[in-house]
Amino acid sequence: DAGVIQSPRHEVTEMGQEVTLRCKPISGHDYLFWYRQTMMRGLELLIYFNNNVPIDDSGMPEDRFSAKMPNASFSTLKIQPSEPRDSAVYFCASSRGQGEKLFFGSGTQLSVL
Amino acid sequence: DQQVKQNSPSLSVQEGRISILNCDYTNSMFDYFLWYKKYPAEGPTFLISISSIKDKNEDGRFTVFLNKSAKHLSLHIVPSQPGDSAVYFCAASALDTGNQFYFGTGTSLTVIP
Repeated sequence: DAGVIQSPRHEVTEMGQEVTLRCKPISGHDYLFWYRQTMMRGLELLIYFNNNVPIDDSGMPEDRFSAKMPNASFSTLKIQPSEPRDSAVYFCASSRGQGEKLFFGSGTQLSVL
Repeated sequence: DQQVKQNSPSLSVQEGRISILNCDYTNSMFDYFLWYKKYPAEGPTFLISISSIKDKNEDGRFTVFLNKSAKHLSLHIVPSQPGDSAVYFCAASALDTGNQFYFGTGTSLTVIP
């Protein structure tokens, strides 16, 4: 398997623009997670899905953030409008079952100017 | 509030010596702990895990120790090699958190040749 695939690898945008990050989990994995990495907070869980259904979005910082999983092989994280403080590395991860170890993608480095 | 803490942002060790990375947690319900390793521009990769029924788990040069009474775990790398230079994250989960993984802020290890 190719592992968790994220796109784009890098995104540079201007404040106020919409940003969409994409993720393809490992086939057969029932759980998908979106994390954000910052120096201050480390890896922060934003939202996770089980069988395409959002289970917990309490980590989503504001209404500007939204995430969808229309099918088992695709998820998006959208920021609209983006702000400079959203600049971070965003990781997608998947796991086979509840409590099982996570497999991470390579991340998207987001810079909002 | 950070439930998993890594208080040392960085650590430097000579090649061949022991590296000890520390992690503290606050939630006594955590029962599964993992260490992840992250190279620049890559996603974190699973390294080693331990459940709360054990106090030690070993895998080659890597050993994780768990002290439940102190809510502390540590990762020992012996002997350290230059290829071990990376950021190490500890993570914890518990049934009462829905098996979500809480990550620390990471420790950057540099192994000096």
